[in-house]
Amino acid sequence: GENVEQHPSTLSVQEGDSAVIKCTYSDSASNYFPWYKQELGKRPQLIIDIRSNVGEKKDQRIAVTLNKTAKHFSLHITETQPEDSAVYFCAANYGGSQGNLIFGKGTKLSVKP
Amino acid sequence: DSGVTQTPKHLITATGQRVTLRCSPRSGDLSVYWYQQSLDQGLQFLIQYYNGEERAKGNILERFSAQQFPDLHSELNLSSLELGDSALYFCASSVGQGMFSPLHFGNGTRLTVT
Repeated sequence: GENVEQHPSTLSVQEGDSAVIKCTYSDSASNYFPWYKQELGKRPQLIIDIRSNVGEKKDQRIAVTLNKTAKHFSLHITETQPEDSAVYFCAANYGGSQGNLIFGKGTKLSVKP
Repeated sequence: DSGVTQTPKHLITATGQRVTLRCSPRSGDLSVYWYQQSLDQGLQFLIQYYNGEERAKGNILERFSAQQFPDLHSELNLSSLELGDSALYFCASSVGQGMFSPLHFGNGTRLTVT
């Protein structure tokens, strides 16, 4: 069925290091891949997204890469800061443009000062 | 502020009861989605409505139902509540036309079943 696998489930890095979170999806028709950040007790917030017609997108310290052939996409955070500590969710759309988002199980990122 | 309003913020009720969660989408958004987030769990997709019609169904229990009204607000009804239904319930909305558009989440309703 519809599935998004996300790894790792927890990630601890030192401030200033890079962090990488990887996801795979199962539906070859998926064409929209967002990443959400959820701080403790708060709502998920979109931090970056990518569509299937591009392979990479960057926004300051955050970048996302997409390999449609392998059905992989990844989030890269450079120069991590303590405020980057949160749970990060990847997602992929199913059912076309009017469909729904299926989320990965999340990665808890801890950035140690 | 995402523009998505969910009420109530907190709900405490007993097993066997029924509750209604309400969501008002962002102005202009036609799609409404409901997600369940249990402790230390990800976001489980429950159901999606688009302009008043059910569009997609996820892992929604038969004890749960939802609808979207003509003014586009949505309600999620949970009945015969069990302890395991305790969770954070998020509503999200999107434009829902053309290319898939980002979801904007409300602040959630925290349901505690005792």
